[in-house]
Amino acid sequence: NAGVTQTPKFRVLKTGQSMTLLCAQDMNHEYMYWYRQDPGMGLRLIHYSVGEGTTAKGEVPDGYNVSRLKKQNFLLGLESAAPSQTSVYFCASSPRGRGNGQPQHFGDGTRLSIL
Amino acid sequence: TQLLEQSPQFLSIQEGENLTVYCNSSSVFSSLQWYRQEPGEGPVLLVTVVTGGEVKKLKRLTFQFGDARKDSSLHITAAQPGDTGLYLCAGVTTSGTYKYIFGTGTRLKVLA
Repeated sequence: NAGVTQTPKFRVLKTGQSMTLLCAQDMNHEYMYWYRQDPGMGLRLIHYSVGEGTTAKGEVPDGYNVSRLKKQNFLLGLESAAPSQTSVYFCASSPRGRGNGQPQHFGDGTRLSIL
Repeated sequence: TQLLEQSPQFLSIQEGENLTVYCNSSSVFSSLQWYRQEPGEGPVLLVTVVTGGEVKKLKRLTFQFGDARKDSSLHITAAQPGDTGLYLCAGVTTSGTYKYIFGTGTRLKVLA
């Protein structure tokens, strides 16, 4: 069972370069999320999607864009990378459900360094 | 902005000791989840608590949701080296926007 797959696993960029992080899930989940994890700050939500073709801003959306053209894929883009975006990025998915809090399934992360 | 503060931030204990990790907020959540994260991997769900005052046990781990659904605790009895990891709490918002607010994390190290 693949679950949630993130590519690439590691990447080094120079300031000003652009890139796209890909997240794919094979569990037919409605909801998908992008987080960044920095030391001492837990996980912070960047953007999320509640269904194909829909996206919404999370807690720290500036400098990032997302797209969800297909239900199984959620892309995170950095148009002009900045050193402050050096972080570990996690994608997660969860099934539809309200109130009780469906479990989130996470990928293994993308370690991104901006020089 | 909803915040979840975890304490302690770091904890290093000997095998066999007991410990409690706290997750506190001024906001009310519809439910609260606990995750454990190993190095190089994503967080994995341990438990979800839904009702105020609810207590759930998972082997040596006991989870409690506060009566007012603003806080939670994780108690580990007789800790083992395999319990080492980063523990994260996550509150599910009641606003209907399907967002999870993660705590700042507690890094636990259990020494053999």
